[in-house]
Amino acid sequence: NAGVTQTPKFQVLKTGQSMTLQCAQDMNHEYMSWYRQDPGMGLRLIHYSVGAGITDQGEVPNGYNVSRSTTEDFPLRLLSAAPSQTSVYFCASSYGYRSSGANVLTFGAGSRLTVL
Amino acid sequence: DAKTTQPPSMDCAEGRAANLPCNHSTISGNEYVYWYRQIHSQGPQYIIHGLKNNETNEMASLIITEDRKSSTLILPHATLRDTAVYYCIVRVRENTGNQFYFGTGTSLTVIP
Repeated sequence: NAGVTQTPKFQVLKTGQSMTLQCAQDMNHEYMSWYRQDPGMGLRLIHYSVGAGITDQGEVPNGYNVSRSTTEDFPLRLLSAAPSQTSVYFCASSYGYRSSGANVLTFGAGSRLTVL
Repeated sequence: DAKTTQPPSMDCAEGRAANLPCNHSTISGNEYVYWYRQIHSQGPQYIIHGLKNNETNEMASLIITEDRKSSTLILPHATLRDTAVYYCIVRVRENTGNQFYFGTGTSLTVIP
């Protein structure tokens, strides 16, 4: 089992460029999400998805787009990169978001993005 | 909009128990408390979760107060490898499902 796979691990962009961070999971998880982590800020939720075709905004969605065409994949798109988007990005997934039981998140290893 | 409150940092001597507190006074009656840790810049790692009763697994113990407004994660015999940032989180129910909001966590340093 690969778990949650993020690519690329490192990326350097110039201001105004666009790119896509990829996230794939092989656990048939319904719930997937993207977080960003900045120094001293903990993890902040960007976007999330509760199933294929369903996405919604988290705490800090501006400047990012997402789509969920399959259960396995949840790409994060930066439309026009800005230096403020320099951060470490984590993708996470969970099974059974609609249940009243526990939902344990599985995280990817992270993608470190630098915008010059 | 923090859902949980944790001290920013703690120290613990190697071999001693590390007790990490968390306040979650707005937690709903049927929501779990989850604990994760993050070592360096790796992805957060799940530790334990609980609803009402105390829980124990191979990594840690979780003590939840009777009113469920706070909890304590216990690492019974801390090692240097337990140095990490520990996050206490609760699930927030929204229309489309359940969201998990992380705060800044507690940075635990285990001292030799």
